Amino acid sequence: EDQVTQSPEALRLQEGESSSLNCSYTVSGLRGLFWYRQDPGKGPEFLFTLYSAGEEKEKERLKATLTKKESFLHITAPKPEDSATYLCAVQPIYGNNRLAFGKGNQVVVIP
Amino acid sequence: ETGVTQSPTHLIKTRGQQVTLRCSSQSGHNTVSWYQQALGQGPQFIFQYYREEENGRGNFPPRFSGLQFPNYSSELNVNALELDDSALYLCASSPVGVAEAFFGQGTRLTVV
Repeated sequence: EDQVTQSPEALRLQEGESSSLNCSYTVSGLRGLFWYRQDPGKGPEFLFTLYSAGEEKEKERLKATLTKKESFLHITAPKPEDSATYLCAVQPIYGNNRLAFGKGNQVVVIP
Repeated sequence: ETGVTQSPTHLIKTRGQQVTLRCSSQSGHNTVSWYQQALGQGPQFIFQYYREEENGRGNFPPRFSGLQFPNYSSELNVNALELDDSALYLCASSPVGVAEAFFGQGTRLTVV
């Protein structure tokens, strides 16, 4: 069964204090690993897709990396507007393109 | 703006009742999936529709059913509602040949 574990569950950062979020996964063949941002009471907003180990993608203050067992979402010099829950999901190579999500990393950036 | 619209945004139902949630996706998004997200949890896959046929199902009982229509809209129906069905229900659609799924804003269902 596909499993995704995210750590830490919750993180409080001072504005400008860089940090990393971890997503460990187990999947029988990876088609893609996805990062989403979710604000309270809203639907997830797509951020990145990573397909193979060694791949990196960046968007503003966010950078996602992928290895064969885990992915990291690096937040550089965060601002209060980066406060959100960040969800990691894997899509197995077999079957339909369902996503298996972790519980998320809840990030609060304090001004 | 993902182009995926869900209705209603909030809903309160009584245990034992039935509910229908709706989703409208963009033209060309031929795959639609539904997810259930309990408070403090990640979304859980309910089922997926591709070209109006069910194309995979998660660990949800048969009282969860769905439909996809030719105009790219979709429905999630839940019969015999239970208190544990209270959650945010998310619809996600994908364009042809694209792995990424784009989510709507969700429907918050409360069962009392």
